[in-house]
Amino acid sequence: DIQLTQSPSFLSASVGDRVTITCRASQGITRFLAWYQQKPGKAPKFLIYAASTLHSGVPSRFSGSGSETEFTLTISSLQPEDFATYYCQQVDSYPLTFGGGTKVEIK
Amino acid sequence: QVQLVQSGAEMKQPGSSVKVSCKASGGTFSSQGFSWVRQAPGQGLEWMGGIIPPFPTPNYAQKFQDRVTITTDESTSTTYMRLSSLRSEDTAVYYCARVLGVYYDSSGYYLYGMDVWGQGTTVTVSS
Repeated sequence: DIQLTQSPSFLSASVGDRVTITCRASQGITRFLAWYQQKPGKAPKFLIYAASTLHSGVPSRFSGSGSETEFTLTISSLQPEDFATYYCQQVDSYPLTFGGGTKVEIK
Repeated sequence: QVQLVQSGAEMKQPGSSVKVSCKASGGTFSSQGFSWVRQAPGQGLEWMGGIIPPFPTPNYAQKFQDRVTITTDESTSTTYMRLSSLRSEDTAVYYCARVLGVYYDSSGYYLYGMDVWGQGTTVTVSS
């Protein structure tokens, strides 16, 4: 199985900050990586696919980059509604696997 | 716009089974892929399995291989997940999700991710 390691697992930031979350894969997955945002008590929300393509309706302050084993999710200017937990997921091979999550909290 | 509506919360005894439904509306059900993901209290997301193109049969995570059955009923646009031999560690919120992807040739399929999610079904396993 492909393991995904997210870092950090927790970060504290202020509104307006630039935030970067890293997701490392245990083996190369080309660009078959997706990112999700989840708020407490809610289902995950699809943000990015193919490592860097924004899903419809996702604000442009979100961006993704990377390939093979190292990927990043960047929020260019953190907004109050962005405080949530973020997950990466590899869709390269079965079983599909998720990273452990990164919780973004208000500083 | 596709929406996924799941069945209600369940309370189950250890050793029993649970079957959760997920009904799609607002789009074309056939030829789409669906997955099931669970989340234990305070924990991360865990992919359980799914029926995803181009494969007509389910693909399961090894962890659940012996206990989970995922099916679809195109006549009612519904996907189901049945988990048997329940134990307390199966207490979780169970989500269905549509799998977004694209065919790149007659049998090849690129997965993009899970773009539409159900609201979640809480399954509690307790004696």
